[in-house]
Amino acid sequence: GDSVTQMEGPVTLSEEAFLTINCTYTATGYPSLFWYVQYPGEGLQLLLKATKADDKGSNKGFEATYRKETTSFHLEKGSVQVSDSAVYFCALSSLDGSRLTFGEGTQLTVNP
Amino acid sequence: DGGITQSPKYLFRKEGQNVTLSCEQNLNHDAMYWYRQDPGQGLRLIYYSQIVNDFQKGDIAEGYSVSREKKESFPLTVTSAQKNPTAFYLCASSRSGVVGADTQYFGPGTRLTVL
Repeated sequence: GDSVTQMEGPVTLSEEAFLTINCTYTATGYPSLFWYVQYPGEGLQLLLKATKADDKGSNKGFEATYRKETTSFHLEKGSVQVSDSAVYFCALSSLDGSRLTFGEGTQLTVNP
Repeated sequence: DGGITQSPKYLFRKEGQNVTLSCEQNLNHDAMYWYRQDPGQGLRLIYYSQIVNDFQKGDIAEGYSVSREKKESFPLTVTSAQKNPTAFYLCASSRSGVVGADTQYFGPGTRLTVL
């Protein structure tokens, strides 16, 4: 079945550091891929998505590229801020779009 | 403003009692979902519904029940049969269960604690 594997956390960085959170997946066909962010005590917010191979999703300085050959969708940001501290979830859609499969989440803490 | 509301934000229940969590959306979305989140873990799908009066079990449906009598509402009942119900419950919705319309939008969540 479908599965998503994220790099183990937690991740702690200093402000303005470069961020990479790895995400790889196993799925049938070519699913849509997503990154969601969860701030403490809140629901998930869509951060970015990509729907086909080589698509790049971007939002708020975050980027991720859909790599079919490596089945990956790594999240990157060139310069993190304290306000980026949150839990980040990678997810993929089922072939019929009826459900999402989530990774376990990566806790990011950015220190001033 | 369009969005998803869940109530209450915090809920306490005595062991052996059923409790119903509310989820309402005014996004005119066809599909709705319930997830459970435990500390330090990802989301696990409990139930989902792609259309009114129809719903399917997710990966951890045992001890839970749902109804979908209206498009905008998808309440979740946590029954006394659920062995470990203390968790954070998230409701989500999407336009429809078809390829290309699969972005899910989440509510703020309900934290259920069983005493």
